Amino acid sequence: GNSVTQMEGPVTLSEEAFLTINCTYTATGYPSLFWYVQYPGEGLQLLLKATKADDKGSNKGFEATYRKETTSFHLEKGSVQVSDSAVYFCALRSMNRDDKIIFGKGTRLHILP
Amino acid sequence: GAVVSQHPSWVICKSGTSVKIECRSLDFQATTMFWYRQFPKQSLMLMATSNEGSKATYEQGVEKDKFLINHASLTLSTLTVTSAHPEDSSFYICSAIRGSTDTQYFGPGTRLTVL
Repeated sequence: GNSVTQMEGPVTLSEEAFLTINCTYTATGYPSLFWYVQYPGEGLQLLLKATKADDKGSNKGFEATYRKETTSFHLEKGSVQVSDSAVYFCALRSMNRDDKIIFGKGTRLHILP
Repeated sequence: GAVVSQHPSWVICKSGTSVKIECRSLDFQATTMFWYRQFPKQSLMLMATSNEGSKATYEQGVEKDKFLINHASLTLSTLTVTSAHPEDSSFYICSAIRGSTDTQYFGPGTRLTVL
């Protein structure tokens, strides 16, 4: 079945550091891939997405590229800020848009000033 | 942007009582809504898919008689936790698909504490 594996946290970085959160997936066909973010005390928000191989999703300085050959969708940001502290979830959904979203376990990110 | 609300945002109840949680899409119609459960420091677990005008589809291991879902209109789905027990304490989150887009919009969640 479909599954998502992401690096375990927590991840602690200093402000302006480079961020990578690894995510790999297992799925049949060509799923859509997502990164969601959950800020403290808030609900999930879609951060970025990619729907086909080699697509790059980007938002708020974050980027992730859909790599079919390595079944990966790693999240990166060149210079993190304290306000980026949150839990980040990698997720996939199969081609039928009504199919459920499969979430990774989440990675908690702490950015120190 | 698309907004999904949940009510209440938190609720505390006694063991054995029932609790209803509402999920509303405020500025769009949603034929499909989803209910998730999130345990502390863990991922979201899909409980059921709620389709307007039809019965919900429950994931394996989720008791349909305990977690009653009603999707009576295109903007409202409700989750009722019946005869709640302390182990039902959790964070319940709903999401909705907007029209022909492939994006799920999530509600802010409802924290249920059963004493």
